Amino acid sequence: DAKTTQPPSMDCAEGRAANLPCNHSTISGNEYVYWYRQIHSQGPQYIIHGLKNNETNEMASLIITEDRKSSTLILPHATLRDTAVYYCIVRVLIIMPGGGADGLTFGKGTHLIIQP
Amino acid sequence: ETGVTQTPRHLVMGMTNKKSLKCEQHLGHNAMYWYKQSAKKPLELMFVYSLEERVENNSVPSRFSPECPNSSHLFLHLHTLQPEDSALYLCASSQGRDITGELFFGEGSRLTVL
Repeated sequence: DAKTTQPPSMDCAEGRAANLPCNHSTISGNEYVYWYRQIHSQGPQYIIHGLKNNETNEMASLIITEDRKSSTLILPHATLRDTAVYYCIVRVLIIMPGGGADGLTFGKGTHLIIQP
Repeated sequence: ETGVTQTPRHLVMGMTNKKSLKCEQHLGHNAMYWYKQSAKKPLELMFVYSLEERVENNSVPSRFSPECPNSSHLFLHLHTLQPEDSALYLCASSQGRDITGELFFGEGSRLTVL
């Protein structure tokens, strides 16, 4: 799976949009971009994923550049509860013979701190 | 409530003890995973099971022994652990044919080895 580069930490004011960048310059054509987050001492939580097109759901928006070498996760109106470590993961989606996706490889992520 | 339940949430054990971590998923998923998260280190994938069959073992020491008796339950049996095995152990599951590839994680079991 392609390697990703994220800033170790970021601050954002409460109520503002949080824009988290991820560089994945070696991504290949069949690799998806996934975002997860981990609130302190909890399990990671899926946020969103995409292949080529921009995606939006109730939690966030994912903007992928046209060359797919980088992406940005946008939390439109950050709240204090969005303080967490955010992981950008690039992977080929493999469905195992018995069902279920293969495991994810996590990096160090970005520690996003929402300031009141 | 994520649908993946881990017990116990906290465990303290000596190096000569034998204990087990339990994971149960109520989501009807086919695959289950064990991850380890040590302080200030990324999550490490330990074991992957698909329909109760182990499909991946990432060079984990034999003092960690997984068991998947059915698609809803996953255990991690622990014996003669070392202090450096102290970590948060996370269980996850994923759906059978769901093409999103989303993993659902439990809250984790915090293990301290004395």
